[in-house]
Amino acid sequence: QVQLQESGPRLVKSSETLSLTCTVSGGSIRSYYWSWIRQPPGKGLEWIGYIYDSERTNYKSSLKSRATLSVDTSTNQFSLQLTSVTAADTAVYYCARISGGGREFDLWGQGTLVTVSS
Amino acid sequence: SYELTQPPSVSVSPGQTASITCSGDKLGDKDVSWYQQKPGQSPLLVIYEDFKRPSGSPGRFSGSNSGSTATLTISETQAMDEADYYCQTWDASTYVFGTGTKVTVL
Repeated sequence: QVQLQESGPRLVKSSETLSLTCTVSGGSIRSYYWSWIRQPPGKGLEWIGYIYDSERTNYKSSLKSRATLSVDTSTNQFSLQLTSVTAADTAVYYCARISGGGREFDLWGQGTLVTVSS
Repeated sequence: SYELTQPPSVSVSPGQTASITCSGDKLGDKDVSWYQQKPGQSPLLVIYEDFKRPSGSPGRFSGSNSGSTATLTISETQAMDEADYYCQTWDASTYVFGTGTKVTVL
């Protein structure tokens, strides 16, 4: 079955760029929308953005200036870059698949905690 | 931006019914999904398109959506249902999550 796995540095310094990759295994990355979602410790879920086949992206308005999603179909991976991070960006970051219907997230990675240090 | 509001907590006795609400402007006109999240785990989709259950979601989970409120109902609640629950919708090409509800099975 299809599985998602996040990878990347767990510690990022303030003002630098957070970079995460999600590897899709057991299925093709093509023909689906993919998303990043984060959850600060003890808080709720926040959608960051989605990407489809490197051509179509959209971001939460408050993160649009700092977030970039990309896809590499040759490696079956998609990635998140978040620039100029602060302590407020400390969170568990999840990658997720958007269902064929386009309205919900039907598959999630296990999540990875990224801490922004000063 | 669009907002979804949930009660912070709901308590229920084992075997009883728990109802979790999710409120938003004209929410009944949108599709609502619900996720269960247990401590240390990723969210799990339990209801989509207001009332549909994905494969593997127990039959005791049901959903409805009308007016400005969507509701997740857990019938015959079990101890294993104790978790955080989030509603979610799609608005203007963006995805929005509710504030989350902690369900405690007493």
